[in-house]
Amino acid sequence: EAEVAQSPRYKITEKSQAVAFWCDPISGHATLYWYRQILGQGPELLVQFQDESVVDDSQLPKDRFSAERLKGVDSTLKIQPAELGDSAMYLCASSSTKRPTDTQYFGPGTRLTVL
Amino acid sequence: GDSVTQMEGPVTLSEEAFLTINCTYTATGYPSLFWYVQYPGEGLQLLLKATKADDKGSNKGFEATYRKETTSFHLEKGSVQVSDSAVYFCALSDYNAGGTSYGKLTFGQGTILTVHP
Repeated sequence: EAEVAQSPRYKITEKSQAVAFWCDPISGHATLYWYRQILGQGPELLVQFQDESVVDDSQLPKDRFSAERLKGVDSTLKIQPAELGDSAMYLCASSSTKRPTDTQYFGPGTRLTVL
Repeated sequence: GDSVTQMEGPVTLSEEAFLTINCTYTATGYPSLFWYVQYPGEGLQLLLKATKADDKGSNKGFEATYRKETTSFHLEKGSVQVSDSAVYFCALSDYNAGGTSYGKLTFGQGTILTVHP
């Protein structure tokens, strides 16, 4: 069964450093999502791509976060500089379309700890 | 805006007990409703979904019915097992006010379920 791949699984960094996370969605899935999950809460959307285009980045802190999906396949989420409050699980998900009825498939996540 | 409210947790049950986790939602459009499960050390997995009113989603003995009149999507299982111990998230995906759709999921805060032998 096809899966969403993410790396690294764990990342520890010091505040003010730069970090990057990578996601490879299920082959053929046009829609890719990055969510942030703070411990004890549900995930919240950071950014959504349709192919290579951003369709929703309204909750992305653009002063420090950036995301790209250059060829409409894999994606990178970057934080520069990292802050203590960025410690969380970063989840990538993909779906075949952006219709609300479509299932989103999640990767294992990257757990970020900022010291 | 859209929101999802789950029952306060955590929930602790004995094996073979009946499970209910309450979920209510607020949405501007006509949402699709989902239950996702997160086992320890793993990512989110779809448990079940329903895309229109009165639909019942079911999987692995779990069921939930889309109730538009009460804006609810409660999760039930008749007999839980130790292996069901996990965090359960209710979520919705909706068309936005303009009638187009971006498809993002709005999640509840999650309910921790622990099942003892």
